[in-house]
Amino acid sequence: DTEVTQTPKHLVMGMTNKKSLKCEQHMGHRAMYWYKQKAKKPPELMFVYSYEKLSINESVPSRFSPECPNSSLLNLHLHALQPEDSALYLCASSLREEVDGYTFGSGTRLTVV
Amino acid sequence: QKEVEQDPGPLSVPEGAIVSLNCTYSNSAFQYFMWYRQYSRKGPELLMYTYSSGNKEDGRFTAQVDKSSKYISLFIRDSQPSDSATYLCAMWGNTGFQKLVFGTGTRLLVSP
Repeated sequence: DTEVTQTPKHLVMGMTNKKSLKCEQHMGHRAMYWYKQKAKKPPELMFVYSYEKLSINESVPSRFSPECPNSSLLNLHLHALQPEDSALYLCASSLREEVDGYTFGSGTRLTVV
Repeated sequence: QKEVEQDPGPLSVPEGAIVSLNCTYSNSAFQYFMWYRQYSRKGPELLMYTYSSGNKEDGRFTAQVDKSSKYISLFIRDSQPSDSATYLCAMWGNTGFQKLVFGTGTRLLVSP
């Protein structure tokens, strides 16, 4: 298995909703990442889980919260989002955080209404 | 000045053309250099991964790194319509929170 699987592929949510994005990999990678990508922009790193340690981009608002139930799964919990949070949310993994090519999932297209 | 500069394009070429995509960077801490291909509404896919200055070839793709000039390139030979996508350069270095820094991407259109 050489894939990163993300679900759902599309999500429309209201500003008062709570939802979760899921990411799964079975490549034995020890680092997993959440990125946000707006149209025609490069991906921006939000969170890193590496060897069970969470690192946070300080500019990410608290309405986004990651969770790593085990080394193969990474969730992103969403609560009280704003329309400007609409974007493609990408999960990636790598064997280690130090170097190694990152494998990306296909992303979740999120629309906040 | 951005850490990584990449022309957004679009770059339009006819099928069969040789395509040259380029990035420049300013941070000497970058050690590893990658090219990703991203189709519309999909995640980036790793195409090439290089460490040292010089060329690396994989099929129709050649990645070139010139660390002294802080310049990297991706060449695509015999371009196909299926190569139409956005190509993102990316560089990795121990540079703080975001160790893998992406360029803005170049949109490539290959017409039949």
